[in-house]
Amino acid sequence: EDKVVQSPLSLVVHEGDTVTLNCSYEVTNFRSLLWYKQEKKAPTFLFMLTSSGIEKKSGRLSSILDKKELFSILNITATQTGDSAVYLCAVTNNAGNMLTFGGGTRLMVKP
Amino acid sequence: GAGVSQSPSNKVTEKGKDVELRCDPISGHTALYWYRQSLGQGLEFLIYFQGNSAPDKSGLPSDRFSAERTGGSVSTLTIQRTQQEDSAVYLCASSFRGLPDGYTFGSGTRLTVV
Repeated sequence: EDKVVQSPLSLVVHEGDTVTLNCSYEVTNFRSLLWYKQEKKAPTFLFMLTSSGIEKKSGRLSSILDKKELFSILNITATQTGDSAVYLCAVTNNAGNMLTFGGGTRLMVKP
Repeated sequence: GAGVSQSPSNKVTEKGKDVELRCDPISGHTALYWYRQSLGQGLEFLIYFQGNSAPDKSGLPSDRFSAERTGGSVSTLTIQRTQQEDSAVYLCASSFRGLPDGYTFGSGTRLTVV
């Protein structure tokens, strides 16, 4: 059974801090790893990673995948209060297109 | 439509009653998924529809749960004889040909069983 574990469970920082969120996984026939931001109900897509060592970047957010050690990190630099959300990591395998999610990391950015 | 639409947004029901949750996917998206998110937890896969293929029901937690997708568009998730442990947010997502980076989630239905 595929498994995704995220850490930390929650994090409180101040505006301007840099945070690193972790995601480790166990997947049979790994295909991709995805990061989502969930502010209220609907998760919104951030990144999809399929290859090791290639950083994906969008503004202050970046992510990288290590397929040898089976983990990914999501970095947020110069955090803002609008970054407060639950960040979800998910994986897919070659058997299908459904996502297996981790439990999420709840980030709170204080002014 | 412009996005994935789910209704109702909130539903409170008595234990033992049946409920129906509706999902209207983005026009042209062939794949439709249902997930469940219990309080403070990640999303749990329930069921997946792809075009006219038989659905993947491997995530349904019990035979009280069923789902159908009519005409390759709107989907209904039905929970019979609801239990308190069914209380959760039920999220629907659609994507074009099932591509995972093309998932668009709806805003969900918050189900409370009292």
